[in-house]
Amino acid sequence: QKEVEQNSGPLSVPEGAIASLNCTYSDRGSQSFFWYRQYSGKSPELIMFIYSNGDKEDGRFTAQLNKASQYVSLLIRDSQPSDSATYLCAVNSGGYQKVTFGTGTKLQVIP
Amino acid sequence: DTAVSQTPKYLVTQMGNDKSIKCEQNLGHDTMYWYKQDSKKFLKIMFSYNNKELIINETVPNRFSPKSPDKAHLNLHINSLELGDSAVYFCASSPPGTGDEQYFGPGTRLTVT
Repeated sequence: QKEVEQNSGPLSVPEGAIASLNCTYSDRGSQSFFWYRQYSGKSPELIMFIYSNGDKEDGRFTAQLNKASQYVSLLIRDSQPSDSATYLCAVNSGGYQKVTFGTGTKLQVIP
Repeated sequence: DTAVSQTPKYLVTQMGNDKSIKCEQNLGHDTMYWYKQDSKKFLKIMFSYNNKELIINETVPNRFSPKSPDKAHLNLHINSLELGDSAVYFCASSPPGTGDEQYFGPGTRLTVT
């Protein structure tokens, strides 16, 4: 069974620090990788996607992909209390537009 | 200007009843999905439709039946509701050729008593 694994946390970081969220996946054929943010009681919101090995930066967010090691990570620089949420890693692991989600990592940014 | 909308937002019903959840997207996307998020927050795909055609049908009891009258709408009908059906159900859509970026509706919290 294709899996996407994340540490459930909570991951606590002080305000202004870098938060590092990690995700591993089992299907070597996976092509597309996504990070979603989900606030409590709200729906998942796409914040980053990455297709190629290496880093992709968007504002305070950086997604990192290493297909050889089968991991994808999300770095949040200058963490803010408003970043406190659950971050879901998602991977296209099954073919035609089928995305598998990890169980999410809860991030707490302490003021 | 809601992109993906769902109705109702909350649904409380008794075991054995039949209920429907409706979803609409005004993004012009071709593909729509139903997900179930349980109490442990695990988000699991149930169905996917592309241009009204069923693409993904995961291992879901046949009490769940999706219907797509057009590519902007995807409804979910659930027969003979059970306690284990209690969850938040999310509708999502994605544009063609973008590697599966998905845009979620606000969710429907279903409680079966």
